[in-house]
Amino acid sequence: AQSVAQPEDQVKVAEGNPLTVKCTYSVSGNPYLFWYVQYPNRGLQFLLKYITGDNLVKGSYGFEAEFNKSQTSFHLKKPSALVSDSALYFCAVRDGNQAGTALIFGKGTTLSVSS
Amino acid sequence: DGGITQSPKYLFRKEGQNVTLSCEQNLNHDAMYWYRQDPGQGLRLIYYSQIVNDFQKGDIAEGYSVSREKKESFPLTVTSAQKNPTAFYLCASSIEGGRLGANVLTFGAGSRLTVL
Repeated sequence: AQSVAQPEDQVKVAEGNPLTVKCTYSVSGNPYLFWYVQYPNRGLQFLLKYITGDNLVKGSYGFEAEFNKSQTSFHLKKPSALVSDSALYFCAVRDGNQAGTALIFGKGTTLSVSS
Repeated sequence: DGGITQSPKYLFRKEGQNVTLSCEQNLNHDAMYWYRQDPGQGLRLIYYSQIVNDFQKGDIAEGYSVSREKKESFPLTVTSAQKNPTAFYLCASSIEGGRLGANVLTFGAGSRLTVL
């Protein structure tokens, strides 16, 4: 079975400071990892993904994430936060070795960036 | 513009009534999904379909039904058997093929169902 955990319900940072949103996962095969962002009353938007290759993945809006196989983590990062980054962030995982499986999402982390 | 259209955006239902949420995509995507979102619980998978006329149950399928008669359409029916249907429902789609499971999901804007 596959699962994903986001240990923090909320992350608060000041504008201009670096931000990290944490994600850990569990899959039996190769992990396919994704980050999505959701603004109020909207659908989710794709930020970035790790499938294979370089452990540091760069995505939209200046976000990046680092895949760490030994720690089974895929934390989302940004060097300098903006107030407009305030939103709900979801980490998701899929087992790349299992055909016919769907994407499983974490519970989400609310990011609040203060000016 | 290509995308996913969910309707209605807001829906109110009396207890005991079935309701159907529409999801249409013009992206020519093979796979379609329904997720339910509740505060503090993230997204939970209800049903998904990888090809026409075939679909699989997700983690919380009880009280829901779907059909996939056309590639572009994947309606979700919330039946009276669903004990707590008030939630935000999200439809998504993706290309299948290539490296299986590596493709990005495109989401609709969601439908908010409230049971009165």
